[in-house]
Amino acid sequence: AQTVTQSQPEMSVQEAETVTLSCTYDTSENNYYLFWYKQPPSRQMILVIRQEAYKQQNATENRFSVNFQKAAKSFSLKISDSQLGDTAMYFCAFSPLYNAGNMLTFGGGTRLMVKP
Amino acid sequence: DTAVSQTPKYLVTQMGNDKSIKCEQNLGHDTMYWYKQDSKKFLKIMFSYNNKELIINETVPNRFSPKSPDKAHLNLHINSLELGDSAVYFCASSLETGRGGELFFGEGSRLTVL
Repeated sequence: AQTVTQSQPEMSVQEAETVTLSCTYDTSENNYYLFWYKQPPSRQMILVIRQEAYKQQNATENRFSVNFQKAAKSFSLKISDSQLGDTAMYFCAFSPLYNAGNMLTFGGGTRLMVKP
Repeated sequence: DTAVSQTPKYLVTQMGNDKSIKCEQNLGHDTMYWYKQDSKKFLKIMFSYNNKELIINETVPNRFSPKSPDKAHLNLHINSLELGDSAVYFCASSLETGRGGELFFGEGSRLTVL
C-alpha cells in the first residue's frame, strides 16, 4: 500500500514571496503519477499540477512548480509570487501507473495562508 | 455550467436514518468516484465506478453503497447512519481510468449526524 505524508500542517507566506510545501511518499512501484490539489475555502478540489514519475523534468504550471526527487520519494510544490487567492489547503496525492479504478491516495494536507 | 454537481450540499440527520447524496457530471467522463473528507481534512477514497466495474475500498462499511443509474450519475446511499459518518463527501469524475488522469471534483456535501 502507498502512503503520502505532508509534514507541514500549516504554513504562511507574505504576498509576492515564494513558499515551498513538502510531500513525501512511500511506494514499491517504479512508475506512478503525483499530484498537487488545491482546496480553497469554497471546498472544491482543483488540480494544481501533475508529475509523471518516468519523466525526469520537473513539471511547471505558471507560478507553480515541483521539485521531484524520485530516489528520495519527495515531491515538493513551490509557489512563486504568492497571491491572496493561493490561500487554501494543499493536498499531495499519489496514483500508481496501472491503477485499477484510478483511486488516488492523498496526504493529510497543508493549510497555506497568504498574508497581505 | 457546473461540471460535477452534488446535492444536497448540506445534510443534517439523526443517527440510524438512511440518506442519499446525488452526483451528476456533464463532462462525458467514464469514471466516477466518492471520497470522504473527515474533520481533520483527511481525504480517503471510498469507491471508483465506471460502466464496467465497481471498485470498493475494502475499509468502507457495507452500509455505504454507490448506485449508478447511468454514466453521468453516481449516487451514494448510506444506511443506518452513525456519528462517525459525519464528514464532507466529495464526488469526482475522470476521463482516464487507471492512467493518472485528472480528477474533477464536486463542491462536496457536508453530512452531520446527530
